[in-house]
Parts: sequence; structure tokens; C-alpha cells
Amino acid sequence: KAGVTQTPRYLIKTRGQQVTLSCSPISGHRSVSWYQQTPGQGLQFLFEYFSETQRNKGNFPGRFSGRQFSNSRSEMNVSTLELGDSALYLCASSLDRAFWGYTFGSGTRLTVV
Amino acid sequence: GIQVEQSPPDLILQEGANSTLRCNFSDSVNNLQWFHQNPWGQLINLFYIPSGTKQNGRLSATTVATERYSLLYISSSQTTDSGVYFCAVEQNSGNTPLVFGKGTRLSVIA
Repeated sequence: KAGVTQTPRYLIKTRGQQVTLSCSPISGHRSVSWYQQTPGQGLQFLFEYFSETQRNKGNFPGRFSGRQFSNSRSEMNVSTLELGDSALYLCASSLDRAFWGYTFGSGTRLTVV
Repeated sequence: GIQVEQSPPDLILQEGANSTLRCNFSDSVNNLQWFHQNPWGQLINLFYIPSGTKQNGRLSATTVATERYSLLYISSSQTTDSGVYFCAVEQNSGNTPLVFGKGTRLSVIA
């Protein structure tokens, strides 16, 4: 079966712009979580969605937002991009929290110039 | 929140050598996974192992939940094993689905 699909794979944006990243989970998975990876901070949790509801949010500014659709696909949006937003954004899919494990997509590498 | 510590931070091996990577965590967990991050950035799931021992080819993992640590064993290492290995844990009552360690960067030299 298909894995977790993230689009686009690479993105270059200018400071001040906004960006939308997409994640399609494994078929049947209702939980989607997002992580930001930077060399300095490692892997940090952004959001978690389950059945279209945001279940948890990490410690990120309000410029970072997300949503999940009825087909479990999720998007995250970053507005007013800053240089420090340059990172690898990873999406993970799971049947539900705990006991099932998480599968990650290939990520979207965002560069802000 | 829960703390996850991995050791060593860096490891250089000759091809064919064996290695052990360690993950310590500060509280009880419902889930523990080992991932390998490939050069393109994807996190490849190696083991889902909240407790016990599992083996998959040259890789095996053991989690001793009561003592709050997990070990990843790599035998007969190959250059394709190079990359960063992450341990990640999940608490049932936590606000974060997965909390990651800082990783172990493995370089296997031919």
C-alpha cells in the first residue's frame, strides 16, 4: 500500500511570503502529526491532528497553522516566512496514538531566502 | 516533559564491524521507535519496540522498559548503514505524539 506522501519535496520562498505544505497519510490512518527538523533544534513537534481535529500543538508561533480534511489529508501553512523557518518539515501518519507506531513521509525541504 | 538521550552522538566504524546505540528515557512510555534517517531526509522506521527484543536481518533492538533504556545493535555494518539513527518515545499522557532524541550519526567506512 502507498506510504505517506508529502508535497512538494523542495521549496524556495522569500522572506515575508507564505507557504502551504501537504501530507497524505497511509490509507486508513486518521492521525497525522507534523515535525520541524533543523540542525540546531533537532526534531520538534508542530501539530497533531486526528479525525479533522487538532489534538495538540507544539511550541511554535501563531504563524504556523494547520488543518486536516475529511479524507485525513493534512496541510500546514506558515505565514510571513522568516529565514529561521528554513527546515525539513516531516509528516507522520498513524492509525491512532500509542500502540500502533508512526510512519513518516519523505519530507518537504523549505529554504527561505 | 520526558527526556530522551542517545549515545554516542557520533560513531565511525570500519565496514564489517558491529555497534551498539543506546537510548535512555526519563519516564514510562507506551511506544518506542528506532528510525534511520537516510541522506534524503526520510525517517525510515526500523523497529516499533516499547518492550522486549526484535530482530530484522543484521539489526536488532532491545527495550528494557522497567529500566528506561533501549539498545539498537547493528552487526556486520555496511556503508549503506551510514546516516543518523533516532530513538523516539511516546507517552500516553503526553502532549507530543513522539519525542525524539538528538540522534547518533553513524559513518561506516569501506
